[in-house]
Amino acid sequence: GAGVSQSPSNKVTEKGKDVELRCDPISGHTALYWYRQRLGQGLEFLIYFQGNSAPDKSGLPSDRFSAERTGESVSTLTIQRTQQEDSAVYLCASSQGLAGGHGWEQYFGPGTRLTVT
Amino acid sequence: GEDVEQSLFLSVREGDSSVINCTYTDSSSTYLYWYKQEPGAGLQLLTYIFSNMDMKQDQRLTVLLNKKDKHLSLRIADTQTGDSAIYFCAESHSNYQLIWGAGTKLIIKP
Repeated sequence: GAGVSQSPSNKVTEKGKDVELRCDPISGHTALYWYRQRLGQGLEFLIYFQGNSAPDKSGLPSDRFSAERTGESVSTLTIQRTQQEDSAVYLCASSQGLAGGHGWEQYFGPGTRLTVT
Repeated sequence: GEDVEQSLFLSVREGDSSVINCTYTDSSSTYLYWYKQEPGAGLQLLTYIFSNMDMKQDQRLTVLLNKKDKHLSLRIADTQTGDSAIYFCAESHSNYQLIWGAGTKLIIKP
């Protein structure tokens, strides 16, 4: 079946502009995650959605970052007034969201490479 | 807070075994994971181990967990050029949030 998809794959934007990144999770996956990966670094958790529960936004670095998800489908990550330090690969993952280890296996999309000039 | 540490690079000869190490600080970790990231591709789960296990084997992969020392390792037998990638260690205790290491880049020498 189809995996997690993200668009665009690459985005170059000028400092100060807003950007919107999209994630299509695997159908039926109730959990969705956004991560940021700076060059040569590990994954930095941004936000987590589980079904219709309130999202865990504890990883969002500033109020310029926001994310939405409608039900258990597409999610968008919006970065307002982009700064050069926002340049990174933004990864989306989804999981079945069931209790127990294997249900929490995260399936990743290919990422969106954001470059802020 | 919780932390996961890995060496940044590992270089091995083709055909040798690769051992990638990871240490973590959270003693309440329930699951520990190894993910693989190849250039231009998304992260892929390689294997995971539950914290009450000390070893798990899956074909060429062997995971060893020393819970006392909070040390996790991934051994890849007969390393091939296709194993070139960045390998991430991650641990979880809250069911959904993973704490990630910075990744180990595995370099294969011919």
